[in-house]
Amino acid sequence: GQQLNQSPQSMFIQEGEDVSMNCTSSSIFNTWLWYKQDPGEGPVLLIALYKAGELTSNGRLTAQFGITRKDSFLNISASIPSDVGIYFCAEQISQGGSEKLVFGKGTKLTVNP
Amino acid sequence: EAQVTQNPRYLITVTGKKLTVTCSQNMNHEYMSWYRQDPGLGLRQIYYSMNVEVTDKGDVPEGYKVSRKEKRNFPLILESPSPNQTSLYFCASSPTVGNYNSPLHFGNGTRLTVT
Repeated sequence: GQQLNQSPQSMFIQEGEDVSMNCTSSSIFNTWLWYKQDPGEGPVLLIALYKAGELTSNGRLTAQFGITRKDSFLNISASIPSDVGIYFCAEQISQGGSEKLVFGKGTKLTVNP
Repeated sequence: EAQVTQNPRYLITVTGKKLTVTCSQNMNHEYMSWYRQDPGLGLRQIYYSMNVEVTDKGDVPEGYKVSRKEKRNFPLILESPSPNQTSLYFCASSPTVGNYNSPLHFGNGTRLTVT
């Protein structure tokens, strides 16, 4: 099946630093989605990417869909304490008329004030 | 308020005692899904439903059952829970998957402990 490799597993940074995390796939993707999970809550969609090469921003967040369609990165600029959480990449898979999401294992971000 | 509601938030039970985790959404979404989240493994899909009376297995369906008798509800049933089903469970819904404006909406989770 589809495999998503997300890295790094965890990051410890100082407030104000920039952050970068990425996902790679063993096969070609049609979509890349980035979610954030705050402690004690369910994941929330941050950015959706649907075209190879697409670069999309959402405030201090920027994500890109790799040209090869096998990778994506998420950058956070000027981190703040509320950026703490787990960030997941995800892929939408269409198979035989059905669709589902497959998630990476997540990047846990800690921001020190 | 548009939301996905899971109950209970926390559940401690014993091996073999049947339990049901309820999930309800008030957004008239067609697509609903259950995930489990485990340390180091991320979110893994258990079952999903594209519409009423249509359910399909996800990546880790063993030991679980679901039903979709009406659009708003998608309960997760553990007929005979075992300790390896101790996990954090999330229900999610969306109008349909594969739509630009159809992000998955997640519930706040159910933390299940099976002793």
